[in-house]
Amino acid sequence: EDQVTQSPEALRLQEGESSSLNCSYTVSGLRGLFWYRQDPGKGPEFLFTLYSAGEEKEKERLKATLTKKESFLHITAPKPEDSATYLCAVQGSYNFNKFYFGSGTKLNVKP
Amino acid sequence: NAGVMQNPRHLVRRRGQEARLRCSPMKGHSHVYWYRQLPEEGLKFMVYLQKENIIDESGMPKERFSAEFPKEGPSILRIQQVVRGDSAAYFCASSPQSGLRTDTQYFGPGTRLTVL
Repeated sequence: EDQVTQSPEALRLQEGESSSLNCSYTVSGLRGLFWYRQDPGKGPEFLFTLYSAGEEKEKERLKATLTKKESFLHITAPKPEDSATYLCAVQGSYNFNKFYFGSGTKLNVKP
Repeated sequence: NAGVMQNPRHLVRRRGQEARLRCSPMKGHSHVYWYRQLPEEGLKFMVYLQKENIIDESGMPKERFSAEFPKEGPSILRIQQVVRGDSAAYFCASSPQSGLRTDTQYFGPGTRLTVL
């Protein structure tokens, strides 16, 4: 079955301290890998879609990369407002009706 | 340019009652997905619908749960005879027509169901 594992479960950073979040996946043919940000009590907010190995996408302090086995969300010089839970999801080519979500990485950026 | 809308945002039910959750997709989107999220967990797929059709309900419990997306009006997730274990956040997402490279799902704010 398609599966997504995110690490670490929780990450504490000082403001300005860059780091990366990992999303490892197993899927029968990747149709798309998606990153979302979720704030407490709110719905997931779309960040990026990646379709093939080697692809990269950037938005402000965030950069998402993709290999055949995993994706990284790099956070450069984070600010306290970047604190949230970051969710990764995959969509397979053979059963693209559903997204498989990881449990998320809870990021806390301290000023 | 409204996003995905869900109501109610919070719903409290006693055991044995029925819960109805509504979702209006983004304008121009014809695909609707329902997910359930327990505290500190990821989202679990429940059902995928298009107008008047259930495409995939493999994630939905066989009993007490049903979903519809009528020709007119919002999609509805219905939970009959709720139990305490149904307490969770239920999220709806929508996407444009599938088959294109635009399968990204956009989520609503969720309905938080509490069963007393």
